[in-house]
Amino acid sequence: RKEVEQDPGPFNVPEGATVAFNCTYSNSASQSFFWYRQDCRKEPKLLMSVYSSGNEDGRFTAQLNRASQYISLLIRDSKLSDSATYLCVVNYGGSQGNLIFGKGTKLSVKP
Amino acid sequence: SQTIHQWPATLVQPVGSPLSLECTVEGTSNPNLYWYRQAAGRGLQLLFYSIGIDQISSEVPQNLSASRPQDRQFILSSKKLLLSDSGFYLCAWGWNSGNTIYFGEGSWLTVV
Repeated sequence: RKEVEQDPGPFNVPEGATVAFNCTYSNSASQSFFWYRQDCRKEPKLLMSVYSSGNEDGRFTAQLNRASQYISLLIRDSKLSDSATYLCVVNYGGSQGNLIFGKGTKLSVKP
Repeated sequence: SQTIHQWPATLVQPVGSPLSLECTVEGTSNPNLYWYRQAAGRGLQLLFYSIGIDQISSEVPQNLSASRPQDRQFILSSKKLLLSDSGFYLCAWGWNSGNTIYFGEGSWLTVV
């Protein structure tokens, strides 16, 4: 069975804090990994892909640990605008029809 | 650049009524197209997947159907809605050679 598990949160953090989300996946054959961001009552939007070597985009850092089958997202210097739900997504088959979405982790950044 | 639009954005329908949600993609040809549903407190569930005109795969048994009458048009339909059909419906597209997808704005359906 192919599953993607995330802590639902909510994570309540002050502005400027560093926050980290983890996501575990069950299928070791999974091939590619992503983080999406979803604002309340809006569509999910691709935040970043996750590469084996780890990757960084401004304040966001994504890492993949294939041996332990988990993915992480680190947000530094949190902004109020970072408040959203973050979805972990795993592609286990190499085509888009094999995308599995986690239920998301809710982040609330407070002033 | 590529854009995706779906409509209507919000609708309230009585049980037993029909449904039609429409989605179009611009700026690309022969995209893969998808319909997802996101129910309250649940993750995204893939409903239908299409790699070309009239080529549609159904992922879950249900009272919904999908059609792709044109390359960049994807329609989600139902003849008779159930209360359990309520949710947030999302159309998405992806490159044939790609491995991730991009969503439309979504349609909120409430069945009463």
